Amino acid sequence: GAVVSQHPSRVICKSGTSVKIECRSLDFQATTMFWYRQFPKKSLMLMATSNEGSKATYEQGVEKDKFLINHASLTLSTLTVTSAHPEDSSFYICSAYKGIYEQYFGPGTRLTVT
Amino acid sequence: GENVEQHPSTLSVQEGDSAVIKCTYSDSASNYFPWYKQELGKRPQLIIDIRSNVGEKKDQRIAVTLNKTAKHFSLHITETQPEDSAVYFCAASSDGNQFYFGTGTSLTVIP
Repeated sequence: GAVVSQHPSRVICKSGTSVKIECRSLDFQATTMFWYRQFPKKSLMLMATSNEGSKATYEQGVEKDKFLINHASLTLSTLTVTSAHPEDSSFYICSAYKGIYEQYFGPGTRLTVT
Repeated sequence: GENVEQHPSTLSVQEGDSAVIKCTYSDSASNYFPWYKQELGKRPQLIIDIRSNVGEKKDQRIAVTLNKTAKHFSLHITETQPEDSAVYFCAASSDGNQFYFGTGTSLTVIP
């Protein structure tokens, strides 16, 4: 398999602040990474596709100014939740695309906005 | 876009019994169907997958069947064990790149 890490694993922030989550592919280069959001006991909802060196592609209904994605290198994509509110509290998971049909998930980041 | 539905949402079985989870998809272009197991607070892990050129695939106690005509696929777990308890997700993809996930099934295996 392949290794994908996320940092931080948990974060608590105050309403109105911004939070950055990092997703790294540790042993392979990933030109494409994906960001998912998961509500308790719910499925993974694809938020956006992050492409190295270009703008992210957002799914319908996801605010791109709210969830900023930067894929600056072949091993790192970041998701910044701007001006976070309690309703942004969720479990955020990234995945990295190693090749066709090969997608590896990060361990997830639990965001709590107070 | 693709719409993947999954049933049941919760499933309880006695240890040793079989468990079956079913998914349907809407996009006839989908040709890759992975299944993931997610334990509480952990990342989803791929447990088995099937491509549209085969109808069934088996790996020890786990099997997946695919009916392309009806656009549905199923996960079968035989001789269930307590460690099989987790949330299971099906997914569908037409390009092996973007995956669309089902709503998940919480499986509980009762010792």
